[in-house]
Amino acid sequence: GNSVTQMEGPVTLSEEAFLTINCTYTATGYPSLFWYVQYPGEGLQLLLKATKADDKGSNKGFEATYRKETTSFHLEKGSVQVSDSAVYFCALSDGGATNKLIFGTGTLLAVQP
Amino acid sequence: GAGVSQSPSNKVTEKGKDVELRCDPISGHTALYWYRQSLGQGLEFLIYFQGNSAPDKSGLPSDRFSAERTGGSVSTLTIQRTQQEDSAVYLCASSLMSSGGWNEQFFGPGTRLTVL
Repeated sequence: GNSVTQMEGPVTLSEEAFLTINCTYTATGYPSLFWYVQYPGEGLQLLLKATKADDKGSNKGFEATYRKETTSFHLEKGSVQVSDSAVYFCALSDGGATNKLIFGTGTLLAVQP
Repeated sequence: GAGVSQSPSNKVTEKGKDVELRCDPISGHTALYWYRQSLGQGLEFLIYFQGNSAPDKSGLPSDRFSAERTGGSVSTLTIQRTQQEDSAVYLCASSLMSSGGWNEQFFGPGTRLTVL
């Protein structure tokens, strides 16, 4: 079945450092890929998405490119801020009849000033 | 505009009791999802509603779990005879299916359930 694997956390970085959180997936067909973020004490919210191969999703300085050849959707940001501290979830949806989301385990990012 | 709301925000119950968790989706959203976020299992899908029917219940972990949706709006997730392993944050999400396909799922703040 469909699954998502993302790097274990926690990831601890200094402010202005470069961020990469790895995400790979297993899916039949052509899933849509997502990054969701959960800030402390807040609900889950969509950060960015890509719906087909080679699409790049971007938002708030974060980027991720849908790589079908490597079945990956790695999250990157060139310069993190303390306010980026949160849990990041990679997810996929096969669209289809339900569009349900399959999530990775989440990666805690802690950015220190 | 109003987002997805859930109640209660926190629920503490004793093992063996029944609990009901409520979700109010965004007005007009035809699709409604329940997910569970727990330490051992991560974030997992439970059930999907389209309107008032639930064509995908594949994520419900046991027959102690059930859900309904009325009027194409509010949904209730019921857990009977709660067990300690049911302790988790229960998340609800809603989305709209349009002519362009599926749209983003919007999540509620969740209900934190603790079974003592």
